[in-house]
Amino acid sequence: AQSVAQPEDQVNVAEGNPLTVKCTYSVSGNPYLFWYVQYPNRGLQFLLKYITGDNLVKGSYGFEAEFNKSQTSFHLKKPSALVSDSALYFCAVRDREGSGNTGKLIFGQGTTLQVKP
Amino acid sequence: GAVVSQHPSWVICKSGTSVKIECRSLDFQATTMFWYRQFPKQSLMLMATSNEGSKATYEQGVEKDKFLINHASLTLSTLTVTSAHPEDSSFYICSASDPGGVTDTQYFGPGTRLTVL
Repeated sequence: AQSVAQPEDQVNVAEGNPLTVKCTYSVSGNPYLFWYVQYPNRGLQFLLKYITGDNLVKGSYGFEAEFNKSQTSFHLKKPSALVSDSALYFCAVRDREGSGNTGKLIFGQGTTLQVKP
Repeated sequence: GAVVSQHPSWVICKSGTSVKIECRSLDFQATTMFWYRQFPKQSLMLMATSNEGSKATYEQGVEKDKFLINHASLTLSTLTVTSAHPEDSSFYICSASDPGGVTDTQYFGPGTRLTVL
């Protein structure tokens, strides 16, 4: 079965420091991986995705993620955190089982990022 | 680009009444839309997948007669919660898939907060 895990419920980091939000996955075949961010009482905003190509993917708001096939990870990173980055972050993998392309996303449980001034 | 809207953003209704939530893709055509519900501080739970012009596919455990989904056009899907009860109170989020993209990235609406009294 395909799955996504975000091992940390919360990540705390000081403003200006680098941040990492962890994600590991388990899929059959090549994964399509996504990161989304959710601010309170809002929908999800797309940050970035990995489909193929360079393992380092750059996305919105200065975020990037590194695809590591051997470790089955897709950690989200940012070199210098801002207080405004504080939000709930979701990692997701596209469902490619069964009929092949349902388009469904399988989400991790989410990680709350708290950036303190 | 890739903007998805939802209406209303919040609604309060009496137990036993029905509530309709609209999801629109504003600047692209979406052959597929997804409906999720989210409980506080939890991940998204997929309720159903809606394809334009065909019946929705419901996830296991989701009552299709209670959560009516209609995807009448490439830019509009609706979710109707029939005979709502307090346990239906939740945050409902839709997403739309852009078929023009190679990866069919899902773009999310801002969500609808439903409170059933």
